[in-house]
Amino acid sequence: ELKVEQNPLFLSMQEGKNYTIYCNYSTTSDRLYWYRQDPGKSLESLFVLLSNGAVKQEGRLMASLDTKARLSTLHITAAVHDLSATYFCAVDPISNFGNEKLTFGTGTRLTIIP
Amino acid sequence: DGGITQSPKYLFRKEGQNVTLSCEQNLNHDAMYWYRQDPGQGLRLIYYSQIVNDFQKGDIAEGYSVSREKKESFPLTVTSAQKNPTAFYLCASRAGTSGYNEQFFGPGTRLTVL
Repeated sequence: ELKVEQNPLFLSMQEGKNYTIYCNYSTTSDRLYWYRQDPGKSLESLFVLLSNGAVKQEGRLMASLDTKARLSTLHITAAVHDLSATYFCAVDPISNFGNEKLTFGTGTRLTIIP
Repeated sequence: DGGITQSPKYLFRKEGQNVTLSCEQNLNHDAMYWYRQDPGQGLRLIYYSQIVNDFQKGDIAEGYSVSREKKESFPLTVTSAQKNPTAFYLCASRAGTSGYNEQFFGPGTRLTVL
């Protein structure tokens, strides 16, 4: 059974600081997705990482994928209050090719403190 | 505007009643999914469908049923057999069958059992 673990589960950080959220998964995959969820809202797609070494950046967020280590990171640079949300990673195992079933991590609740 | 719509936004059910949640997409996506999210938790897959007239059980299908008679529609019925249905329900869709496309999510339906 595929397991997807995120850490930390909760993160409070001051505005202007940098931090990294980690997503570890337990099976072979080269397809990893990051989503953002605001309280009471749906999920918004942030990044799609489809190969080893993939790096994507959007504003103050940068995501990377290391398929050999089975690890993805979401790095936050100079945090601002607008980034407060819950962030989920989701993994699609290689064995599911053509029959995608994502397994989601438990989420990281990020709170940016002024 | 292309997108995924879910209705109703809020739904209240008495114990013993079946209720049906609507999910419609006009993105011409092949695959559609239903997830359940409990407070402070990640997403768990209920059912998914890769093509019309075909669907598969996810991780927590007991007490739920679906149909896929049209490409754009994937309704979810929460039956009286589902003992703890209070949750946030999210519908998603994905283009193609290659396995390299992200899932897009609808706005969600919040179901409460009275």
